[in-house]
Amino acid sequence: QVHLVQSGAEVKKPGSSVKVSCKASGGTFSSHTINWVRQAPGQGLEWMGRLIPDFGTTNYAQKFKDRVTFTADESTSTAYMALSSPRSEDTAVYYCARDIVGSTWALDIWGQGTKVIVS
Amino acid sequence: SYVLTQPPSVSVAPGQTARITCGGNNIGSEIVHWYQQKPGQAPELVVYDDRDRPSGIPERFSGSNSGNTATLTISRVEAGDEADYYCQVWDSTADHVVFGGGTTLTVV
Repeated sequence: QVHLVQSGAEVKKPGSSVKVSCKASGGTFSSHTINWVRQAPGQGLEWMGRLIPDFGTTNYAQKFKDRVTFTADESTSTAYMALSSPRSEDTAVYYCARDIVGSTWALDIWGQGTKVIVS
Repeated sequence: SYVLTQPPSVSVAPGQTARITCGGNNIGSEIVHWYQQKPGQAPELVVYDDRDRPSGIPERFSGSNSGNTATLTISRVEAGDEADYYCQVWDSTADHVVFGGGTTLTVV
C-alpha cells in the first residue's frame, strides 16, 4: 500500500520561497499523476495543478501559473511543489494526492498535508 | 470555468439518510467524485466515477448523477460520519480539476 509522506510545516516571510516535498512510501509514482491541492484556514479545497512524473509534464491552474512549479525525482519517488514570492493569502495546508489510473482524476491517496504559514 | 454548487450544511439524525447534493451545468454528463474530510485530516475518497466505492468504504455510501445534480447518499448515518464532504469533477475544457465548495454534515 502506497503512502504519500509530506515534509514538515514551514513559516515563511512574504516574498521568500517555499518548497514542499511529497514522497511515495511503499511504492512509486509510476503511471500516476501527482496533484497538488491547498486549503486555506476554514476554507474549501483548491486544486493547484498536476504533474505527470513519467513524462515530466505539468498543468497548472490559471491562478498559480506564474508562481508555482511542480517537479519530481523518480529515483527517490519524491514530488515537489515550489511556490515563489508567497503572500499572506498563501497561508494554507498544502496536500499532494495521487490519482486512480484510468479515472478522470479521482484522487485516492493523499499526503498528510503540509502547513505553510506566510507571515 | 465549470462551477460546482453544494449546500453549506446538512443535518441528519443518527440512523437516518443524508443526501448531499452537488449542482453543475449538465453535471450528469460529467464524472463526479466525492471526498470526506474530518477535522485536522486529509480528504478521503469515498465515491468515484459517480457511484463506485474505493476498497474499505462502507456500502452505506453511494452516489448518483443525473441532469444538473449529483448526489452523495449516506444511509444509516452514524456519529462518525460527521465531516465536510466535497464533490469534484474534471473540467475537460480547461483540463482542470474542480471542487465544490463543500458541505458540512452534522449528525444531531
